[in-house]
Amino acid sequence: QVNLLQSGAALVKPGASVKLSCKASGYTFTDYYIHWVKQSHGKSLEWIGYINPNSGYTNYNEKFKSKATLTVDKSTNTAYMELSRLTSEDSATYYCTREKVRLWAFAYWGQGTLVTVSS
Amino acid sequence: NIVMTQSPKSMSISVGDRVTMNCKASQNVGNNIAWYQQKPGQSPKLLIYYASNRYTGVPDRFTGGGYGTDFTLTINSVQAEDAAFYYCQRIYNSPRTFGGGTKLELK
Repeated sequence: QVNLLQSGAALVKPGASVKLSCKASGYTFTDYYIHWVKQSHGKSLEWIGYINPNSGYTNYNEKFKSKATLTVDKSTNTAYMELSRLTSEDSATYYCTREKVRLWAFAYWGQGTLVTVSS
Repeated sequence: NIVMTQSPKSMSISVGDRVTMNCKASQNVGNNIAWYQQKPGQSPKLLIYYASNRYTGVPDRFTGGGYGTDFTLTINSVQAEDAAFYYCQRIYNSPRTFGGGTKLELK
């Protein structure tokens, strides 16, 4: 079965960077894009972007183009998202997610990683 | 960029009632809409894709409808476990924008 296992909660200082991971299992990693979604506390969901694990091609929401960098390590079936120049506005839960074939909707979700930006 | 507007922001209803929530796209998206349910402390769960197709395992009391710019999610005979946030999302094309959500509370 498809499983997306995300890294644990992170407490980071303002101005620093953080790299979140999402380890995929139960399917061929390079066959499906990995998307990332942000959810600030008590707020809605924001699509950050996706990466094609096979080619490394990325597509970002304009809002996150200078904030997030998506990468993958095919040898470990792991997707990464690095968030840079962190501020309190970046404090949120971040999810990795994957579409189901032909549905184009996000059928598989990681458990989420809580990022807290605080000095 | 496309904007997805959900209404109402919240609603309070009784078990057994029928409820309909709305999602309006700022441009024509055809049937490229999904609906998700999210309970506190959990990841979102896919309910509906392509506007009206129920995902595997979703109870048939959940029904999606609409095309173009106006979409609905209806829950017939609401159950206690349906208390949650519901989000619509534009799928297939980028950006995969989400709506602001509707909070469903039980009286």
